[in-house]
Amino acid sequence: GNSVTQMEGPVTLSEEAFLTINCTYTATGYPSLFWYVQYPGEGLQLLLKATKADDKGSNKGFEATYRKETTSFHLEKGSVQVSDSAVYFCALSESGNTGNQFYFGTGTSLTVIP
Amino acid sequence: GAGVSQSPSNKVTEKGKDVELRCDPISGHTALYWYRQSLGQGLEFLIYFQGNSAPDKSGLPSDRFSAERTGGSVSTLTIQRTQQEDSAVYLCASSLAGLAVDTQYFGPGTRLTVL
Repeated sequence: GNSVTQMEGPVTLSEEAFLTINCTYTATGYPSLFWYVQYPGEGLQLLLKATKADDKGSNKGFEATYRKETTSFHLEKGSVQVSDSAVYFCALSESGNTGNQFYFGTGTSLTVIP
Repeated sequence: GAGVSQSPSNKVTEKGKDVELRCDPISGHTALYWYRQSLGQGLEFLIYFQGNSAPDKSGLPSDRFSAERTGGSVSTLTIQRTQQEDSAVYLCASSLAGLAVDTQYFGPGTRLTVL
């Protein structure tokens, strides 16, 4: 079956540090891959997505590349800010016989300290 | 425009009581999803509505859980005879066409506490 595995947190970084949050997936076909972010006190919102192999999603300085050969979609940012403190969820979606389901990872909490 | 709204934002109930959670999706979105987010857990898929098709109920954890979507818009998630393990944040999301590539737009959630 489909699943998403992401690195466990919490992650604490100093401002301007480099961020990587690992995400790997298992899928039977050709899924779309997403990173969602949940800022403190807010609902989940899309951060970026990639819909086919080798696509790179990017937004707000974050980027992730859809790697079919390693079944990965790692999230990276070159220089994090305090405002990036949030919980990050990796997710996949794949069309099936009964429609589409989303499969989410367990989330990685990031705290950026000044 | 208006986003996905959910009500109530918080619900405290006693074990054994029934609860109803409401979701108003973004106007024009044909797909609607319910998820449960428990402490320390990821999002657990519960149920998915797409247009007028029969819903995908494969994620509902027991027959105490049910959901309906009236007129292709508002959805209600009902939990009967609530148990303490039902305590979680229940999230609703909608997307334009329910395609695998579509972005889901999430509501703020309903925090359910079962005493």
